[in-house]
Amino acid sequence: GQQLNQSPQSMFIQEGEDVSMNCTSSSIFNTWLWYKQDPGEGPVLLIALYKAGELTSNGRLTAQFGITRKDSFLNISASIPSDVGIYFCAGQAGNTPLVFGKGTRLSVIA
Amino acid sequence: KAGVTQTPRYLIKTRGQQVTLSCSPISGHRSVSWYQQTPGQGLQFLFEYFSETQRNKGNFPGRFSGRQFSNSRSEMNVSTLELGDSALYLCATRTGSGANVLTFGAGSRLTVL
Repeated sequence: GQQLNQSPQSMFIQEGEDVSMNCTSSSIFNTWLWYKQDPGEGPVLLIALYKAGELTSNGRLTAQFGITRKDSFLNISASIPSDVGIYFCAGQAGNTPLVFGKGTRLSVIA
Repeated sequence: KAGVTQTPRYLIKTRGQQVTLSCSPISGHRSVSWYQQTPGQGLQFLFEYFSETQRNKGNFPGRFSGRQFSNSRSEMNVSTLELGDSALYLCATRTGSGANVLTFGAGSRLTVL
């Protein structure tokens, strides 16, 4: 089946630093999504991308749909303590179910 | 607008028992998907239901089953529980036409002893 490689697996950063994480796929997707999961909760959608090359921002978050349609990245600028959590990428091809990366666990040191 | 509601939030079962989890979607969402989340495997797709019909199925044994009712509420059942079934079971819903974005519930955390 389709595999998503998400990296890094975990990050420890200082408050105020920028963060970058990415996902790569062995196959082409037509949708990339980024979710964040807080402890004890389900994932919450951060950004949705639908077109190759698309760059979309949501506040301090910016995500891009790679030109090859096999990758995506998420940047967080000027991190704050509430950015702590697990970030997941998810991709979809056609009407197949969303495939999720294994997540990037972000820790912010004040 | 109420979100996706999953019940129960926490439950403990023993090996060999069976369990039923429930999911009430956002009003107007006709597609319900179920995912299993474990630390080692991440989020793994179980199945998707739309208009009471299973539309997609993941690579799980037949002990895992689901159904959807006419009001779009969905249940999943796991029979003959094994220790490895301990996980967070997430339900996610969407309108079902066009939009790919899933809205997740808070999950049902199952512990099998």
